[in-house]
Amino acid sequence: GESVGLHLPTLSVQEGDNSIINCAYSNSASDYFIWYKQESGKGPQFIIDIRSNMDKRQGQRVTVLLNKTVKHLSLQIAATQPGDSAVYFCAASLNKLIFGAGTRLAVHP
Amino acid sequence: NAGVMQNPRHLVRRRGQEARLRCSPMKGHSHVYWYRQLPEEGLKFMVYLQKENIIDESGMPKERFSAEFPKEGPSILRIQQVVRGDSAAYFCASSSEGGFRTEAFFGQGTRLTVV
Repeated sequence: GESVGLHLPTLSVQEGDNSIINCAYSNSASDYFIWYKQESGKGPQFIIDIRSNMDKRQGQRVTVLLNKTVKHLSLQIAATQPGDSAVYFCAASLNKLIFGAGTRLAVHP
Repeated sequence: NAGVMQNPRHLVRRRGQEARLRCSPMKGHSHVYWYRQLPEEGLKFMVYLQKENIIDESGMPKERFSAEFPKEGPSILRIQQVVRGDSAAYFCASSSEGGFRTEAFFGQGTRLTVV
């Protein structure tokens, strides 16, 4: 099966700083990965995805890095804003998405 | 194009009653997934359905839980004889292709409270 874990349960950053959220996965056969953002009382919101044939993908203020050698995934958020405060989940796909426990990002002014 | 619609948003049931949760996928999506989330935890896979077929129900409890996705109408997650431990947020997601090979969109969830 697949298990996905996060290194830090909470992350506190200053507004304007860059944030890095890490994630490890266990099954090397996973070939599609997604980062979701979940605000309180809402459903997960797609942020960015990456396939296993890539090692980096950039979006607007976000970058996902994939290191298949060590089965590690990270989400980088540039110039973190108060609106980025939420719980962030990584998920790995092997016909179904397996979610990690989540990292709570707290942005301080 | 409306997103994934779930209703009700909040559902309160007494122990022993039945809970029915509905999910209408995005237009054009024929793959539906149900997930369960306890407070401060991640989402746990329950079941994956395609129109009229259950593809993967490996995350569904063996008793009291069932799911369907009929040819017409929303997908239904049914919990019979609810117990306090069933209290959770239930999310569904839909995609245009199966097996989470492409982006999947989540609904806002149904928060079930069993009293």
